[in-house]
Amino acid sequence: RKEVEQDPGPFNVPEGATVAFNCTYSNSASQSFFWYRQDCRKEPKLLMSVYSSGNEDGRFTAQLNRASQYISLLIRDSKLSDSATYLCVVNLGSGGGADGLTFGKGTHLIIQP
Amino acid sequence: NAGVTQTPKFQVLKTGQSMTLQCAQDMNHEYMSWYRQDPGMGLRLIHYSVGAGITDQGEVPNGYNVSRSTTEDFPLRLLSAAPSQTSVYFCASSYGKGQGTGELFFGEGSRLTVL
Repeated sequence: RKEVEQDPGPFNVPEGATVAFNCTYSNSASQSFFWYRQDCRKEPKLLMSVYSSGNEDGRFTAQLNRASQYISLLIRDSKLSDSATYLCVVNLGSGGGADGLTFGKGTHLIIQP
Repeated sequence: NAGVTQTPKFQVLKTGQSMTLQCAQDMNHEYMSWYRQDPGMGLRLIHYSVGAGITDQGEVPNGYNVSRSTTEDFPLRLLSAAPSQTSVYFCASSYGKGQGTGELFFGEGSRLTVL
């Protein structure tokens, strides 16, 4: 059962390029969406929330497409330090509690000099 | 603030042994949880708690016990370790009872190998 799906990559991208990846989710009633970042052998950390109107934080833009049930993450002017695994997280629970947070398997991004 | 602290960071067990992974947070979060992360599987919820004295099962609870006697601590017990429990374990906490926010604060992880 694949409730939150991501392309595992790796995405090999030259420094300075723009890269985007998507994540699809199965529950059309899902209300909250997030991108987490996980560095190699480290813990995941919240990168940004994804709102219905989209969300931009510096070089990072996240968008939600409810009709097609996917969220996206765009990284502009990529830096070597952006190399990481990006986890798509969707709250699939009906109550909205944190126990409903479902993690995708992650997309591995490698920024090359 | 230390945030979420997990111990031990590394552990090797033999099949059938028991052990406890410790987790403590100093942010006064009511919500705490345990995940395991395996290659190709993503993070999966083992158990969670919305407050002291309250625990519930997540997606993969078999073989694990938890208790929540204080707001700060949420230990995970492996009753009789099996090789299938070889994994990286993360403890995470969240504001309040975990409602309305997707921000989980993770510990640094505990790498467990069961031989």
